[in-house]
Amino acid sequence: ETGVTQSPTHLIKTRGQQVTLRCSSQSGHNTVSWYQQALGQGPQFIFQYYREEENGRGNFPPRFSGLQFPNYSSELNVNALELDDSALYLCASRVGTGGLYEQYFGPGTRLTVT
Amino acid sequence: EDKVVQSPLSLVVHEGDTVTLNCSYEVTNFRSLLWYKQEKKAPTFLFMLTSSGIEKKSGRLSSILDKKELFSILNITATQTGDSAVYLCAVEALSNMLTFGGGTRLMVKP
Repeated sequence: ETGVTQSPTHLIKTRGQQVTLRCSSQSGHNTVSWYQQALGQGPQFIFQYYREEENGRGNFPPRFSGLQFPNYSSELNVNALELDDSALYLCASRVGTGGLYEQYFGPGTRLTVT
Repeated sequence: EDKVVQSPLSLVVHEGDTVTLNCSYEVTNFRSLLWYKQEKKAPTFLFMLTSSGIEKKSGRLSSILDKKELFSILNITATQTGDSAVYLCAVEALSNMLTFGGGTRLMVKP
């Protein structure tokens, strides 16, 4: 157990809809990152939040957005869903922005877009 | 663009064998290299490497980084069926971006 939880576990949406995924980090972990993992591939970095501000972003369009809250929870929002958005979405949290501290992953949310 | 390549893609061994997994990378402003084990969903942390030539060890697993040649290896000795998983290598840049490789799928047969 990593102390990082995600909800929901599974989700089915149709193309064009919007979705919100949630993550609850370990207490004291002020950095959260979100990843998209397509089947058979490694996770791809979406973005990172530190103290409620985005401080790093991968090659994802603006329809992927996020929020981080003071209570160590965060959200990933995806608008105008496309079929290719079907994937496992992972969040990971840690103390600080990097270098010395490992990050802990949640169990993920499996999103299917039909 | 930052890039991480892992080899082999997959590997089948028998219990007791020793395996070596490879990870090569190209990244701007390298900060650290990390290894994870992914069995079902959440990757679990194995090692973080920041300095060349210093071996990190945990039980039967060990890893080393070569920052000159831009690669890392993960060794698993005396493999067990519980080692069956996908092993992921990731490189973190100073931009806070983490780039993962595609993973090596290891299957250990009894």
